[in-house]
Amino acid sequence: DAKTTQPTSMDCAEGRAANLPCNHSTISGNEYVYWYRQIHSQGPQYIIHGLKNNETNEMASLIITEDRKSSTLILPHATLRDTAVYYCIVRVNLGDKIIFGKGTRLHILP
Amino acid sequence: DTAVSQTPKYLVTQMGNDKSIKCEQNLGHDTMYWYKQDSKKFLKIMFSYNNKELIINETVPNRFSPKSPDKAHLNLHINSLELGDSAVYFCASSRAGGEEQYFGPGTRLTVT
Repeated sequence: DAKTTQPTSMDCAEGRAANLPCNHSTISGNEYVYWYRQIHSQGPQYIIHGLKNNETNEMASLIITEDRKSSTLILPHATLRDTAVYYCIVRVNLGDKIIFGKGTRLHILP
Repeated sequence: DTAVSQTPKYLVTQMGNDKSIKCEQNLGHDTMYWYKQDSKKFLKIMFSYNNKELIINETVPNRFSPKSPDKAHLNLHINSLELGDSAVYFCASSRAGGEEQYFGPGTRLTVT
């Protein structure tokens, strides 16, 4: 079973920052927080991951709370192409298995 | 250049038939995976291979048999297809112990 809880769906206006929350209150000390997304009819796409420090790459920023029980994925300037299901996942970094939950369906509104 | 490719993209077949889905990655990765996404959109891992050796088998029926002829290929063979096998099957690859998995475009299997 997935170890994360996410809202079922969210809306965000195009050009605004999309902030996607995730709760992972039972996360272990050696587990990382990963984010993937799945655009309609495509395979999942890796976005970002982190352990305890905030992370940023060309796609997004990941903010992890100090107690590591929750995190937020930030898409700084959402576009229509960001409409997708976003999955928050916790896993041991060297582990091979990804357990996907239900994810958050993000709608970017024009 | 396609990193992870799957063939066919669509597969329609009748119950009881045997079919295969092929997956190839040109990323030089050591580990490959098969995932199944059902009609409710739940995405679940089925198998994982590392350097041609099976390392994860998630209680998948014996009718499903992955075959890895070499490190760049992981094919999925399904015997005696059932209606419940209808789903989208995704292949993925990563470096051994790698953080990021790269997914293929998926194969939509419809069993009638």
